[in-house]
Amino acid sequence: AQSVSQHNHHVILSEAASLELGCNYSYGGTVNLFWYVQYPGQHLQLLLKYFSGDPLVKGIKGFEAEFIKSKFSFNLRKPSVQWSDTAEYFCAVGVLNNAGNMLTFGGGTRLMVKP
Amino acid sequence: EAGVAQSPRYKIIEKRQSVAFWCNPISGHATLYWYQQILGQGPKLLIQFQNNGVVDDSQLPKDRFSAERLKGVDSTLKIQPAKLEDSAVYLCASSFRDYGLLRYEQYFGPGTRLTVT
Repeated sequence: AQSVSQHNHHVILSEAASLELGCNYSYGGTVNLFWYVQYPGQHLQLLLKYFSGDPLVKGIKGFEAEFIKSKFSFNLRKPSVQWSDTAEYFCAVGVLNNAGNMLTFGGGTRLMVKP
Repeated sequence: EAGVAQSPRYKIIEKRQSVAFWCNPISGHATLYWYQQILGQGPKLLIQFQNNGVVDDSQLPKDRFSAERLKGVDSTLKIQPAKLEDSAVYLCASSFRDYGLLRYEQYFGPGTRLTVT
C-alpha cells in the first residue's frame, strides 16, 4: 500500500515570500501525483497534476511542482505568495486501475499568508 | 457544468443511530468515490464504484458502513450504527472512466460534515 507524507502541518508566510511545501510518498510502482487545495469554506480543487513526461509541472495561480523520482518527492512551489493563497494544501498519490485513480492523500499543510 | 452534489451538508446524530449521505456525480462520470476526512487529516478513500459496480471497497469498514450506486448514477453511503469516531467530513468525488487523460482527474463535492455525539 502507498503512503504520503507532508512535512509541514502549518506554514505562516508574509505576502511575496516564496513557498515550498514538501511531499514524499512510498510506493514501488507507477504513480500519478496531485496537489489539491482547499480554500476556506470551499471544496477540494485540483491545483496541478503529474502523469508522465516533464517532471516540472505548472498548475493554476502560479503554482508549480517538481517530481523527483529518485527521492519519491513531489514538492509544491510558488515564487511569491499572495494573501489569497491562504488555504490547506494536500498532496495525493494515485494508482490507476481500470476504473480510475485510487488516491492516497497526505495529512495536509495549512498555509496562512499574512498581508 | 454542474459539479458534484452532496446532501445533507451537515448532520448531527447520537451514537448508535444510523445516517445516510447522498451524492450525485458530474453528468457522464462513470466512476464515483467516497472518502472520509477526519479533522486534521487528509481524505481517506472508502470505496470506488464504476457505474453500478464496486471496484474497490478494501478500506470500507463493512461491519457498519455500506454504500450503493444502484442505477450507476447517484450513490448513498450509510453508517449503521454510528460511533463517536465516525465524526468526519464525508466527501464524494467522480471522474470519467475513459476520455484519455481526463480519467485521471477527480472532482470533489462539498462534503457532508457528520458529528456523532
